[in-house]
Amino acid sequence: EVQLVESGGGLVQPGGSLRLSCAASGFIFRSYWMHWVRQAPGKGLEWVANMKEDGSEKYYVDSVKGRFTISRDNAKNSLYLQMNSLRAEDTAVYYCARGLLWAHYYMDVWGKGTTVTVSS
Amino acid sequence: EIVLTQSPGTLSLSPGERATLSCRASQSINSNYLAWYQQKPGQAPGLLIYGASSRATGIPDRFSGSGSGTDFTLTISRLEPEDFAVYYCHHYDTSPRFTFGPGTKVDIK
Repeated sequence: EVQLVESGGGLVQPGGSLRLSCAASGFIFRSYWMHWVRQAPGKGLEWVANMKEDGSEKYYVDSVKGRFTISRDNAKNSLYLQMNSLRAEDTAVYYCARGLLWAHYYMDVWGKGTTVTVSS
Repeated sequence: EIVLTQSPGTLSLSPGERATLSCRASQSINSNYLAWYQQKPGQAPGLLIYGASSRATGIPDRFSGSGSGTDFTLTISRLEPEDFAVYYCHHYDTSPRFTFGPGTKVDIK
């Protein structure tokens, strides 16, 4: 079964850091672009970052550039999101998603999400 | 920067009825980069339609997408109970920039 499982969310103070993980299974992880997408409470979807299959390309939404870092370990079938200098507006459910094989900009498999709350 | 506007915000319909959801872009976009996602309450989103009109794997044929330029439509021919959800349109450009619309909620009348 194709599956993505996020972990690492929690409550953190403004200015703090958190590292999210996404464990992939049931598919050849190293063959796919991967994404992070977030959803603030009661709000819509916002793409956060993505990374090419081999890690050679990575992109971010402007609001997290310089604060968040996406990475992956293909040997461990895992995707990560290091989040530093967190702000209240980063509070959201963070989803890991797989890019469609022939069109990486579409996200065809999603995890259930992990919740990040930034509050003092 | 392209902005996606979805209408209506909420669509109240009964099972068996036809649902027509609109997504309008602030400027003409390449339909190859337009998708629709469905999000049921308490669940992650799921890919429904990509390339404006192609159904994703496993999506029933009561779902169809159409449109070009600035106007795109998601149609659900006959609503099933499991179709009551929020639907988001999504656009990608090669900057890269990923934009989601604000969503249309389809709820039970």
